[in-house]
Amino acid sequence: QVQLQESGPGLVKPSQTLSLDCTVSVGSIRGYYWSWIRQFPGKRPEWIGQIFHTGDKTYNPSLQSRVTISIDTPRNQFSLKLSSVTAADTAIYYCARTWSCVGETCYSGDWFDPWGQGILVTVSS
Amino acid sequence: QSVLTQPPSVSGAPGQRVTISCTGTSANIGAGYDIHWYQQLPGTAPKLLIYATSNRPSGVPDRFSGSRSGSSASLAITGLQPEDEADYYCQSYDSSLTGSRVFGGGTKLTVL
Repeated sequence: QVQLQESGPGLVKPSQTLSLDCTVSVGSIRGYYWSWIRQFPGKRPEWIGQIFHTGDKTYNPSLQSRVTISIDTPRNQFSLKLSSVTAADTAIYYCARTWSCVGETCYSGDWFDPWGQGILVTVSS
Repeated sequence: QSVLTQPPSVSGAPGQRVTISCTGTSANIGAGYDIHWYQQLPGTAPKLLIYATSNRPSGVPDRFSGSRSGSSASLAITGLQPEDEADYYCQSYDSSLTGSRVFGGGTKLTVL
């Protein structure tokens, strides 16, 4: 069973860049899409973006100008950078594997499974 | 405001059946995009419960089932158990200007 673990600073100053890594264990990062998702306290999750092992990526249009997702296949890791953060970016950040097909059957729209345990990132001076 | 609308809360007694609705628009569920459901226990990450409207991942009890009709979808839980008390989120793809993977506002299930 693949496992994901987020890592990075839990405190970031306003206007700086939030940087997080997700390490994938018990399985290869190749052949799948991988997503970053955040959840504000007590609110719904918000999809940030996704990346394939080839580097093909898609971002949430509402965050696109500030987001960069990258992948390091030899290290089985992918990363998130979110620039110019404010207090409104304070959230729990999750990484997750993204699916749109199961076996030979593909579906219209992808889903996330499994998720990492999440990391709380607070933006504060 | 979410593009997928869920009731803020539902409740039921142990053993009962409850349903959680997820109402979308012609840009998401109504356009035929699949719906997925997640369960989030307090202090933990969301866990996939149902994918592509009605498919259960391995390990999810058959007490959980999903369906769709038009621009709406539903999650049904039968034989309610105390450990089902959690937040439930629906998720789909939205093709409007928000153009991304979107989640519903979440429903808090209370087991009485």
